[in-house]
Amino acid sequence: EVQMVESGGGLVQPGRSLRLSCVDSGFIFADYAMHWVRQAPGKGLEWVSGISWNSGSTGYADSVKGRFTIYRDNAKKSLYLQMNSLRAEDTALYYCAKGAGSFWNEYYIASWGQGILVTVSP
Amino acid sequence: QSALTQPASVSGSPGQSVTISCTWTSSDVVPYKSVSWYRQYPGKAPQMMIFDVSNRPSGISDRFSGSRSGNTAYLTISGLQAEDEADYYCSSFTSTSMIFGGGTKLTVL
Repeated sequence: EVQMVESGGGLVQPGRSLRLSCVDSGFIFADYAMHWVRQAPGKGLEWVSGISWNSGSTGYADSVKGRFTIYRDNAKKSLYLQMNSLRAEDTALYYCAKGAGSFWNEYYIASWGQGILVTVSP
Repeated sequence: QSALTQPASVSGSPGQSVTISCTWTSSDVVPYKSVSWYRQYPGKAPQMMIFDVSNRPSGISDRFSGSRSGNTAYLTISGLQAEDEADYYCSSFTSTSMIFGGGTKLTVL
């Protein structure tokens, strides 16, 4: 049973920072790529970032490149997203998601967390 | 980033079949890597329905099938049921990112 639980969301002012966390309790975390995918209210899915199993490769959407950083701690079975210089358009439900293989740019997303809401507003 | 284009909505009656298309509009999309489909109910996380164009994970009904022709992938749902009413998203890769289609709302009449 895959169980990923996100935390760290909330209300933040534009220009400020926030760090999201995702802890896995159900599978061999270290072998798999991980992703963050977001969904603005009433909108579709938007891939944000991915990281390979050993942190050797990462990728970012153009909309967050230079502002967001993805990283992981396999010993803690945890995934993180450091979000800096937040903007109103970053307001969304952020999903932690597991890849089906080791490399983020090679395999589809196999499973998803329940999501955590980030609201960027004055 | 490159786009995957889906119809905004499709509909069908119970028992019918519906097909949702997913067309890539840029040569930067590399669909040979993986075209997948996800279903999302309102207020719920997405669920993977089809991977690698036409493969079903265990536990997914065989009423769901995937295919590809040229630069378009297809999700077909046969024997439509009320529970199939949801949003459906396709996904693939470019050389630098993962991408999602805009989503298709399936209405069961």
